[in-house]
Amino acid sequence: NAGVTQTPKFQVLKTGQSMTLQCAQDMNHEYMSWYRQDPGMGLRLIHYSVGAGITDQGEVPNGYNVSRSTTEDFPLRLLSAAPSQTSVYFCASSYTGRSYTFGSGTRLTVV
Amino acid sequence: EDQVTQSPEALRLQEGESSSLNCSYTVSGLRGLFWYRQDPGKGPEFLFTLYSAGEEKEKERLKATLTKKESFLHITAPKPEDSATYLCALSNAGNNRKLIWGLGTSLAVNP
Repeated sequence: NAGVTQTPKFQVLKTGQSMTLQCAQDMNHEYMSWYRQDPGMGLRLIHYSVGAGITDQGEVPNGYNVSRSTTEDFPLRLLSAAPSQTSVYFCASSYTGRSYTFGSGTRLTVV
Repeated sequence: EDQVTQSPEALRLQEGESSSLNCSYTVSGLRGLFWYRQDPGKGPEFLFTLYSAGEEKEKERLKATLTKKESFLHITAPKPEDSATYLCALSNAGNNRKLIWGLGTSLAVNP
């Protein structure tokens, strides 16, 4: 099925561990974004990309890295997990950069 | 500063009881206002884009309208399956690839 695929769906990390959240889309969208969603904070943009090889920071980029080597994939790397990074993470893609298709999310807990 | 405020935070309706959700905004130059629906445990799902004051869009029991200061999502004769959180977002003239999100309205429709 066409759409945005995120893996894993759930993850528990220990403080200091690193990991990569995977995101892939098969709609040939140029624009891709990573968000985190926390109660009372809404959706906050972490990093975004306007095409392969091009990435930029959003409003909460610290502690996260991204790369965009292909149009399809946009992985998010947590460098050294902290409890403050406990959240639900969403990847989204768009053809126009305005109306986005979201993945189903990764629920991350850092203990 | 560009900002999106949604009200009410939560709304409980009886099946068939029509109502409206509000999204008020301040923006330096509106490029687009977006409505999304989010079900528990899932990513947001795109509903509508509005570009200019006076514009209206409809889909089944939902109608979105836009003025220069706010947008309304009208729900006519809602059903229990309309229960969800409804999110409003906008893109501005400065960087129209980064969306500014409201915190959402949680709608519950009782049978």
